[in-house]
Amino acid sequence: GAGVSQSPSNKVTEKGKDVELRCDPISGHTALYWYRQSLGQGLEFLIYFQGNSAPDKSGLPSDRFSAERTGGSVSTLTIQRTQQEDSAVYLCASSPSGSNQPQHFGDGTRLSIL
Amino acid sequence: GQNIDQPTEMTATEGAIVQINCTYQTSGFNGLFWYQQHAGEAPTFLSYNVLDGLEEKGRFSSFLSRSKGYSYLLLKELQMKDSASYLCAVRDQNGGSQGNLIFGKGTKLSVKP
Repeated sequence: GAGVSQSPSNKVTEKGKDVELRCDPISGHTALYWYRQSLGQGLEFLIYFQGNSAPDKSGLPSDRFSAERTGGSVSTLTIQRTQQEDSAVYLCASSPSGSNQPQHFGDGTRLSIL
Repeated sequence: GQNIDQPTEMTATEGAIVQINCTYQTSGFNGLFWYQQHAGEAPTFLSYNVLDGLEEKGRFSSFLSRSKGYSYLLLKELQMKDSASYLCAVRDQNGGSQGNLIFGKGTKLSVKP
């Protein structure tokens, strides 16, 4: 079946521009997560959606970052006024509900800020 | 604070056994996951431990000791394709809430002929 789909796969933009990254989770998965991974670093948690509950935004690094999840399915991560330090791979994952359920990752969006 | 430690790099020989250790200090604990990540690819799920002991899955096994805040991933009969980064991740939410995962920085394993 279809896995987690992310688009675009690569994005190059100029400093100061806004970018939108999209994640289409596995159908039926109630939990959706955004992470970012810088070169040689671990995965940094950004935000977590679980069903209709208020999202856990505790990992967002600044107010330039925001995310939405519409209809409990597709999610968009928006970065406003991008900075060079925002360059990273942005990974989305989804999982069924249940603490023993593993997260299934998309291939990520590689974001480069010039 | 939250902290997950793994060795940065390891090297092993094809056909051998390698053990990758992970220690963690988190405010709560509700399961530990191991993921494999090949360069330029997404992480893929390998194993899950929530109770103390060993979980075996083919060539891969994972061990957990909650009292010691310690886990290891054991890879047997190493193959060249096992060259990848191995990520340890802890779900730090107690109780029924699912919560997010806290990831270590990963251990880059190189398998040599």
